[in-house]
Amino acid sequence: GAVVSQHPSRVICKSGTSVKIECRSLDFQATTMFWYRQFPKQSLMLMATSNEGSKATYEQGVEKDKFLINHASLTLSTLTVTSAHPEDSSFYICSAREGGLEAFFGQGTRLTVV
Amino acid sequence: AQSVTQPDIHITVSEGASLELRCNYSYGATPYLFWYVQSPGQGLQLLLKYFSGDTLVQGIKGFEAEFKRSQSSFNLRKPSVHWSDAAEYFCAVGEENAGNNRKLIWGLGTSLAVNP
Repeated sequence: GAVVSQHPSRVICKSGTSVKIECRSLDFQATTMFWYRQFPKQSLMLMATSNEGSKATYEQGVEKDKFLINHASLTLSTLTVTSAHPEDSSFYICSAREGGLEAFFGQGTRLTVV
Repeated sequence: AQSVTQPDIHITVSEGASLELRCNYSYGATPYLFWYVQSPGQGLQLLLKYFSGDTLVQGIKGFEAEFKRSQSSFNLRKPSVHWSDAAEYFCAVGEENAGNNRKLIWGLGTSLAVNP
């Protein structure tokens, strides 16, 4: 099946700094990518949807200036958490879709802001 | 609005026992239905999906699910659970009438524990 690679798997950063998470589709072209946030023992919360070459569409309540999403190519999307604070600590997951109905998920990134 | 309900937050079964995880959805047309599994600290792996055709769907790891339109259900089953099946299971439905940006509507998940 299609493979989505997410990097890093874990990151610890200091409060006030920015951190970038990468999501790559390794063997297909991802026309659409999704970024999720997951709190412990909870379901996935969609943050934004991005299409290659377009601005991301953010879900209600998600600060687009804080969570910068770039989908510059058909195989790479990045999520940058700017001026991170401890409340941004979470598990972030990306998924990618080639154009069909099925989305493939990355391994997730555990962000801890100290 | 579309929704997905997983009535069971947590289930514990004994190894070797059968398993059924429930999923109900609200949807206007023919739904696109998915079951995903998530191990602790990991991303999600697709177990199986239903788009059309045979309502009994076979997936990976010995799982199957049956789409029942009359009950708006897509329950996941496995005849004999293994200890390695302990994980979080999510049911999802593809958003309707959304074109290329179709999102997944997620259930809250069912946590499965397996006793030896």
